[in-house]
Amino acid sequence: GAVVSQHPSRVICKSGTSVKIECRSLDFQATTMFWYRQFPKQSLMLMATSNEGSKATYEQGVEKDKFLINHASLTLSTLTVTSAHPEDSSFYICSARRAGVNTGELFFGEGSRLTVL
Amino acid sequence: TQLLEQSPQFLSIQEGENLTVYCNSSSVFSSLQWYRQEPGEGPVLLVTVVTGGEVKKLKRLTFQFGDARKDSSLHITAAQPGDTGLYLCAGSGNFNKFYFGSGTKLNVKP
Repeated sequence: GAVVSQHPSRVICKSGTSVKIECRSLDFQATTMFWYRQFPKQSLMLMATSNEGSKATYEQGVEKDKFLINHASLTLSTLTVTSAHPEDSSFYICSARRAGVNTGELFFGEGSRLTVL
Repeated sequence: TQLLEQSPQFLSIQEGENLTVYCNSSSVFSSLQWYRQEPGEGPVLLVTVVTGGEVKKLKRLTFQFGDARKDSSLHITAAQPGDTGLYLCAGSGNFNKFYFGSGTKLNVKP
């Protein structure tokens, strides 16, 4: 099966700092990746759609200047949480769609838990 | 955003019992998926349904897509402790973005 890897899996940072989370498709190319966040005991909320070589599309209510997304290659998308605050603490999960395949199947990373002190 | 409501939110049952989880929306979906998520991990895809009325079986799990493609159900027969987890439905209107349901937390007691 297709493998998506996220790094780091856990990160703790001080309030005001920026944190970068990487999402890599290890054995396939992904023209589209999606970023979700999940609060404890809740479902996944779609934050943005990351398209290789173009600007990300953000969902309503998600600050694009706060959550910077870069999708510079077919195997890597990054999410940078800028000037993080405690309310940004969450579980961030990426998913990727295999390039050229339109079955709708998404492959999810393991998630990255961010804790902002 | 297409809202998907799942019910029940929580379910605690004994091993061997049957259960059904529902996923409902007022929107029509081109595709609907069911996932299972363990704590601290990403969701794992169980099934994708695309045709109204479609029924798919995966061992003890039976998935059904509503005729109008607005709702779906997941039925588990003879639940086992290994079935414990968070079950999520996710729908897409155009095979592109998927929006997740509110989730059903299942606990199967031995």
